Amino acid sequence: AQKVTQAQTEISVVEKEDVTLDCVYETRDTTYYLFWYKQPPSGELVFLIRRNSFDEQNEISGRYSWNFQKSTSSFNFTITASQVVDSAVYFCALWNSGGYQKVTFGTGTKLQVIP
Amino acid sequence: NAGVTQTPKFQVLKTGQSMTLQCAQDMNHEYMSWYRQDPGMGLRLIHYSVGAGITDQGEVPNGYNVSRSTTEDFPLRLLSAAPSQTSVYFCASRTGLAGAETQYFGPGTRLLVL
Repeated sequence: AQKVTQAQTEISVVEKEDVTLDCVYETRDTTYYLFWYKQPPSGELVFLIRRNSFDEQNEISGRYSWNFQKSTSSFNFTITASQVVDSAVYFCALWNSGGYQKVTFGTGTKLQVIP
Repeated sequence: NAGVTQTPKFQVLKTGQSMTLQCAQDMNHEYMSWYRQDPGMGLRLIHYSVGAGITDQGEVPNGYNVSRSTTEDFPLRLLSAAPSQTSVYFCASRTGLAGAETQYFGPGTRLLVL
């Protein structure tokens, strides 16, 4: 069985603060992929990043960065110098090679950036 | 490309009514799926299809039917709506059958069952 845990239900930060969203996953497979999606207030789901289990290099894209650590089964997402437009629900998701049809989503973290 | 489109955007049903949520994609993706999103539950897979004529159940299939007569379309049918089916429904598609491929989501359909 696979599981994704996003323990932070809601986070509020003041604009320009850095914020880290936690994601912890469980899988027995050695080959798996992790994803982050953003859901802004308008409701659509926007793909942010995909990372495979063999690549533990951290990823940086502008103000966004991701820290993948297999030793702790975590794939955390950091937003640097947060902006109001970052306010959204963020989902972490996991796919493993044992089930091609199923991507397991976490319950999401709602981020509110206060101006 | 329009990507993944869903209609309607919002629907109100009475208990026992039936309806079909439409989903279409113009990316020639083999794999399509339906999810429902409920508060505090994340997204849960309802049904999926790996190609025209092939469908299978996800983790919460009860009360829903699907069919896939073409690569482009993957409608979701509620045969007899129940208040428990009040949710936001997302259709998604991806290129390959392997789950590692990035899924692209439609804008969602918000369904209220009274």
